[in-house]
Amino acid sequence: QSALTQPASVSGSPGQSITISCTGTSSDVGGYNYVSWYQQHPGKTPKLMIYDVNKRPSGVSNRFSGSKSGNTASLTISGLQAEDEADYYCTSYTSSSTWVFGGGTKLTVL
Amino acid sequence: QVQLVQSGAEVKKPGASVKVSCEASGFTFTTYYMHWVRQAPGQGLEWMGMINPSGSTTNYAQNFQGRLTMTRDTSTSTLYMELSSLRSEDTAVYYCARRFEEGYNFGYWGQGTLVTVSS
Repeated sequence: QSALTQPASVSGSPGQSITISCTGTSSDVGGYNYVSWYQQHPGKTPKLMIYDVNKRPSGVSNRFSGSKSGNTASLTISGLQAEDEADYYCTSYTSSSTWVFGGGTKLTVL
Repeated sequence: QVQLVQSGAEVKKPGASVKVSCEASGFTFTTYYMHWVRQAPGQGLEWMGMINPSGSTTNYAQNFQGRLTMTRDTSTSTLYMELSSLRSEDTAVYYCARRFEEGYNFGYWGQGTLVTVSS
């Protein structure tokens, strides 16, 4: 199972919106609505930000939203804040009853 | 509250095996699938495998077939991950994880266990 494809890095200024893409295949992202997104600050444990494509856990800011079109899922962060600077990972359930992560995207808040 | 507490850091020689534990509390252990995810230094997250609530069925990522064994002890609410034939590339932080009460995700994470493979 190949890793999902994410851009290595994205950046934005405070207050702006950014979108991180996560591209897979019809055997993972495109085949199931089981895409989730994780935020990881350096030296910290990953934190769930979005699950089942577009659901937000309690306590996660509504500035974070998720969507999916075909084999590509997206995480959008609006109203960028300095604290959003972190690594972001997507993951999807697959047709092999396994899970696969994306390679990760480093978000820089300028 | 849900807690996943992992065993401490390990240093192993190439070719050896390592067994990491993850003690669960705050929920009914026999209700949830449990997963292991690892992260090599400076690298991304990698899903390793999962075990069903009763411990009778496992599913491993292809990269680990033949080297990975996941078990769970329902009497002590403890999950185990054993990786054999260790090589330097297995140096990583290993996490146990469980989904939130709804949805398909890794909502709860252990604190991570650093396994260093070095001669």
